[in-house]
Amino acid sequence: QKEVEQNSGPLSVPEGAIASLNCTYSDRGSQSFFWYRQYSGKSPELIMFIYSNGDKEDGRFTAQLNKASQYVSLLIRDSQPSDSATYLCAGKTGTASKLTFGTGTRLQVTL
Amino acid sequence: DVKVTQSSRYLVKRTGEKVFLECVQDMDHENMFWYRQDPGLGLRLIYFSYDVKMKEKGDIPEGYSVSREKKERFSLILESASTNQTSMYLCASSPGTLGGTQYFGPGTRLLVL
Repeated sequence: QKEVEQNSGPLSVPEGAIASLNCTYSDRGSQSFFWYRQYSGKSPELIMFIYSNGDKEDGRFTAQLNKASQYVSLLIRDSQPSDSATYLCAGKTGTASKLTFGTGTRLQVTL
Repeated sequence: DVKVTQSSRYLVKRTGEKVFLECVQDMDHENMFWYRQDPGLGLRLIYFSYDVKMKEKGDIPEGYSVSREKKERFSLILESASTNQTSMYLCASSPGTLGGTQYFGPGTRLLVL
């Protein structure tokens, strides 16, 4: 049973718009969440992580965590064509350093 | 900057061959991981290691083994390669205590003929 779920997309947004990427998780013990960006043919690179309820902002990116609803999201403001990639959500449970990854959402930013 | 390197970017092997994939990290991280990534299936954990000579099975360990003789190096071994092991293989490392952020190497695209 997959513990982290993402819509595979593609999610298409026009340049300059806000892209909203969503992720749900089933393990209530999950403590922290990570968003990675992966360009085609490349390896995942960390965008940001969040472990407290609420919002966390870093430049054009905002991560949101709602533990009651078991929901994590990533907002990308002023979307650029260079943001076109697959975005992976991952959750960490317990003291182990293992992450459980979703299958990713493909984002397309159109001109 | 954290640097994780993998021995090959592309590899072509024949069915039945023994294949070694090597990963090296330069940040003194305790934890190292091997994943494979296939379209529609996402990242799947094969094995991980939280210390030298320690290893634990991930979600799909069958057909694979690993070795960690030094802290900075984590090897993935395909004992007898099969066509269903054609995939992108990704290595990652993370520090032992800080939040769990994993840093990925560039990946090895393996084709088994």
